[in-house]
Amino acid sequence: DIVMTQSPDSLAVSLGERATIDCKSSQSVLYSSDNKNYLAWFQQKPGQPPKLIIYWASIRESGVPDRFSGSGSGTDFTLTISSLQAEDVAVYYCQQYYGTPYTFGQGTKLEIK
Amino acid sequence: QVQLQESGPGLVKPSETLSLTCTVSGAAISSYYWSWIRQPPGEGLEWIGYISDSGSTNYNPSLKSRVTISVDTSKNQCSLKLSSVTAADTAVYYCARHYVSYSFDYWGQGTLVTVSS
Repeated sequence: DIVMTQSPDSLAVSLGERATIDCKSSQSVLYSSDNKNYLAWFQQKPGQPPKLIIYWASIRESGVPDRFSGSGSGTDFTLTISSLQAEDVAVYYCQQYYGTPYTFGQGTKLEIK
Repeated sequence: QVQLQESGPGLVKPSETLSLTCTVSGAAISSYYWSWIRQPPGEGLEWIGYISDSGSTNYNPSLKSRVTISVDTSKNQCSLKLSSVTAADTAVYYCARHYVSYSFDYWGQGTLVTVSS
């Protein structure tokens, strides 16, 4: 199985400041045939299902604000929220869909400082 | 718009079989992949398995011996059966849509299943 490890486990950031969450995979999720990283980011608010915000490591899902961005390749990835808003408080998960079993990181809880 | 709705018993006794249904609207169930994912209370996400657009299945090895996923195209539904449940199977169960090379873009609201006598 591909193990996904996120850091930190929790993060407190002031409104308007930058939030950065890292995700590392135990093996590369870069598919050589199409040069795409099979890495997604999800946002989960209390009592709600996860919401896809980034796929292929850096492509924003339709409707996701442009303050959210994803970067990285191979085994190391980052989710950045450029200017934290109150509605961004949530748990964020990275997920690999390079191979089965699909696996998720343990989650990063983002709060307001 | 695409909507997914899970349904089934909220309480299952130990050693029995958990059975859930995901009813899909706004998308043809035979055109996509459908996964089941679960989340124990206060914990992270675990992928259980999927059924593809061609009807092939792929299960998490950790659950493979106990899982069956199927579709009923006439009802546009996907189903999950998990046998021999224990308290460790207590979780919110989600169904989610995806496709080859894509991640989970639509999710149901989830349904909490508690395993207890």
